[in-house]
Amino acid sequence: AQRVTQPEKLLSVFKGAPVELKCNYSYSGSPELFWYVQYSRQRLQLLLRHISRESIKGFTADLNKGETSFHLKKPFAQEEDSAMYYCALSGQGAQKLVFGQGTRLTINP
Amino acid sequence: DTGVSQNPRHKITKRGQNVTFRCDPISEHNRLYWYRQTLGQGPEFLTYFQNEAQLEKSRLLSDRFSAERPKGSFSTLEIQRTEQGDSAMYLCASSSPGALYWVQYFGPGTRLTVT
Repeated sequence: AQRVTQPEKLLSVFKGAPVELKCNYSYSGSPELFWYVQYSRQRLQLLLRHISRESIKGFTADLNKGETSFHLKKPFAQEEDSAMYYCALSGQGAQKLVFGQGTRLTINP
Repeated sequence: DTGVSQNPRHKITKRGQNVTFRCDPISEHNRLYWYRQTLGQGPEFLTYFQNEAQLEKSRLLSDRFSAERPKGSFSTLEIQRTEQGDSAMYLCASSSPGALYWVQYFGPGTRLTVT
């Protein structure tokens, strides 16, 4: 079965502190992993995908196949990072996305 | 705005009524997806099209739900005999094998409230 688990529904950190949003997945095969973000009153948008191996807005995520994880990290949080973050997976060829429940990240000043 | 658009943005209906939502994908995106999101949950896949062909339907999509993409451009999602449990945000996304291979771009959603 395809499943994405984000264990934290809420995460609150202070500005300048490191941030880690956890994501674990279950998939038989080689999935594609994504992080989507939804800022207040905006639509869901792609933050990053594992095959791109890039840093977006200071965020990085490494796919760990052994631990079936795709945690999102940022070394120094900024107030504008406050948003809802969703981890998602799909099979090869980007068919349907399977989303986690999401983590609401709040950055305190 | 060249992004995915959805209409209406909000819909309030009484239980038992039929509703129809429209999604206009990004121009030339040949894949179009429908998702449903309830409060506190991530989006759940409903169905997707490649051009006008409906390639996959979730078990979530009961017989009361039907989706079409007649000319391979815009799509409609119809819910017949709405129930209170249908209250949710309905999201549409589109993608293409372009520069960001098959990445899905989302619309703003249609929020349905069934009273």
